[in-house]
Amino acid sequence: ETGVTQTPRHLVMGMTNKKSLKCEQHLGHNAMYWYKQSAKKPLELMFVYSLEERVENNSVPSRFSPECPNSSHLFLHLHTLQPEDSALYLCASSQDLWGAAEAFFGQGTRLTVV
Amino acid sequence: SQQGEEDPQALSIQEGENATMNCSYKTSINNLQWYRQNSGRGLVHLILIRSNEREKHSGRLRVTLDTSKKSSSLLITASRAADTASYFCASVLYNQGGKLIFGQGTELSVKP
Repeated sequence: ETGVTQTPRHLVMGMTNKKSLKCEQHLGHNAMYWYKQSAKKPLELMFVYSLEERVENNSVPSRFSPECPNSSHLFLHLHTLQPEDSALYLCASSQDLWGAAEAFFGQGTRLTVV
Repeated sequence: SQQGEEDPQALSIQEGENATMNCSYKTSINNLQWYRQNSGRGLVHLILIRSNEREKHSGRLRVTLDTSKKSSSLLITASRAADTASYFCASVLYNQGGKLIFGQGTELSVKP
């Protein structure tokens, strides 16, 4: 248990569905991240939030929409996804944005788009 | 292009043997971190080494950093079957604070 909780753990959705992934941390961290992990590829950084403000959007398609309502919660809203979006989506948090300390990861949401 | 590349991509050893994984990176870093991932689960932080450090130990783990060669290595001594996992290096770039850039990882299999 790392202190970062992701729900749901597994999600199957059709291409026309709208769903949301949730991430929660009560570690008092100021920075939160979304990563995508596809088979045979390095983890891809998608979004970075610092103190609830988005500071990085790594050329992610608009069908992925992040939301950070407060410093403890991070969402990833999904709509009209493609089969190639199937992957493990990982949320992480760290004390601050500058990478001086380690990141704590959630267990991930395994997303399958059918 | 990716910042970190691990070598080898896969490693299979017997219990009790040492496992060495290498990581190379391309640009100046603030620090470099190693993570472990059990199949299909989240990553767990193992060790962080700063750019002004050359070696760091944590239990059976030993990490070295050579900034002149832009490389790092992770040594796991006296491996156990429970060490079976994927291991990733992640660099924090000097001029891009907050971005952990991961390599593709090394899949380690420790046979009992």
